[in-house]
Amino acid sequence: AQTVTQSQPEMSVQEAETVTLSCTYDTSESDYYLFWYKQPPSRQMILVIRQEAYKQQNATENRFSVNFQKAAKSFSLKISDSQLGDAAMYFCAYRSALTQGGSEKLVFGKGTKLTVNP
Amino acid sequence: NAGVTQTPKFQVLKTGQSMTLQCAQDMNHNSMYWYRQDPGMGLRLIYYSASEGTTDKGEVPNGYNVSRLNKREFSLRLESAAPSQTSVYFCASIRSLMNTEAFFGQGTRLTVV
Repeated sequence: AQTVTQSQPEMSVQEAETVTLSCTYDTSESDYYLFWYKQPPSRQMILVIRQEAYKQQNATENRFSVNFQKAAKSFSLKISDSQLGDAAMYFCAYRSALTQGGSEKLVFGKGTKLTVNP
Repeated sequence: NAGVTQTPKFQVLKTGQSMTLQCAQDMNHNSMYWYRQDPGMGLRLIYYSASEGTTDKGEVPNGYNVSRLNKREFSLRLESAAPSQTSVYFCASIRSLMNTEAFFGQGTRLTVV
């Protein structure tokens, strides 16, 4: 079974600085997707960034980027120029690539609480 | 476009009572999921459904039942609620066969006393 591990329960960063959140996963599959979600106090789940396992190029979305190391099964999130609005819980998630007739299991890590200090 | 709608948003139950959490999506998604979120535990998968009429157990299925009667709706039932089921419950859906993210409902905060 696939598992996702976030080893940092809490992290803090100064406003305008850069922070990296760690995520590792375990799978025997070769094709899959990885995601980072943000959950502010409102409880809403917001997609931050996604990565396809077959792509070697790391995904980037404005101030958010990932370091995807497939062989090491590592998927870290880098937040540059941190803003107060970035404060939230961040979840790493793994999703199997669908095979015909199969099910897509979507598995989450336990989350990292990010605090941004002014 | 409403996305994923969960009802109710809040609920208090007494131990032993039953209830059904409702989830509906209007995005023509194939896969649907139920998660529970507890402090320090992240989102744990209860059940999921790849298509109408099919369901599979996730990590924590005990004490729950689900029903996927049609493509839009995926309900979660607690037959005899226990205090250990106090949690925030999320429903989610995915389009499948495409690299799209999961869309989530607003969550249901359930307290069992």
